[in-house]
Amino acid sequence: GAVVSQHPSRVICKSGTSVKIECRSLDFQATTMFWYRQFPKQSLMLMATSNEGSKATYEQGVEKDKFLINHASLTLSTLTVTSAHPEDSSFYICSARSGAHEQFFGPGTRLTVL
Amino acid sequence: AQSVAQPEDQVNVAEGNPLTVKCTYSVSGNPYLFWYVQYPNRGLQFLLKYITGDNLVKGSYGFEAEFNKSQTSFHLKKPSALVSDSALYFCAVRPHGSGNTGKLIFGQGTTLQVKP
Repeated sequence: GAVVSQHPSRVICKSGTSVKIECRSLDFQATTMFWYRQFPKQSLMLMATSNEGSKATYEQGVEKDKFLINHASLTLSTLTVTSAHPEDSSFYICSARSGAHEQFFGPGTRLTVL
Repeated sequence: AQSVAQPEDQVNVAEGNPLTVKCTYSVSGNPYLFWYVQYPNRGLQFLLKYITGDNLVKGSYGFEAEFNKSQTSFHLKKPSALVSDSALYFCAVRPHGSGNTGKLIFGQGTTLQVKP
């Protein structure tokens, strides 16, 4: 089956620093990747949709300058949380889609900002 | 507004009993419907989908779901629950017209607790 990886799985950083999270599709080419944010015991909130080689489409209320997304290749998308603050602490999940109907999800990244 | 509802925050069943996790949706057109499962501190795992055809869809780990167009529902079912089925379950809908992006709308999630 399709496998999506995320790195790192867990990161702790100081307030004001930037953190980059990588999302890779390991055995397929992902034309579209999605970034979600999930708060404890809550549903996934779509942050943005990224297509390879083009600018990401952000959902309403998501700051594009805060959450930088780059989809440089068909197997890699990155999310950079710039100048992170404690309220950015969350579980970030990516997913990838190759053209089939379902999305395949990464294992998630737990971000803690001190 | 388009939405997905999972009316139960938690479902408790005894091992060996049948289980149902409910999902209803409100979207335009003929949506694609999905169920995902999430274990603690992990990403989502795909269980099954309905695109077209037979209303009863069979998926991974013995789960199945029934699409009911008139009731706009897509309830997840399993004839005999296992303790290892205990997890967080999400219903998701890909609305008609979401184009090539395949954007999904998720329900709130339902925690399934299967007791020995």
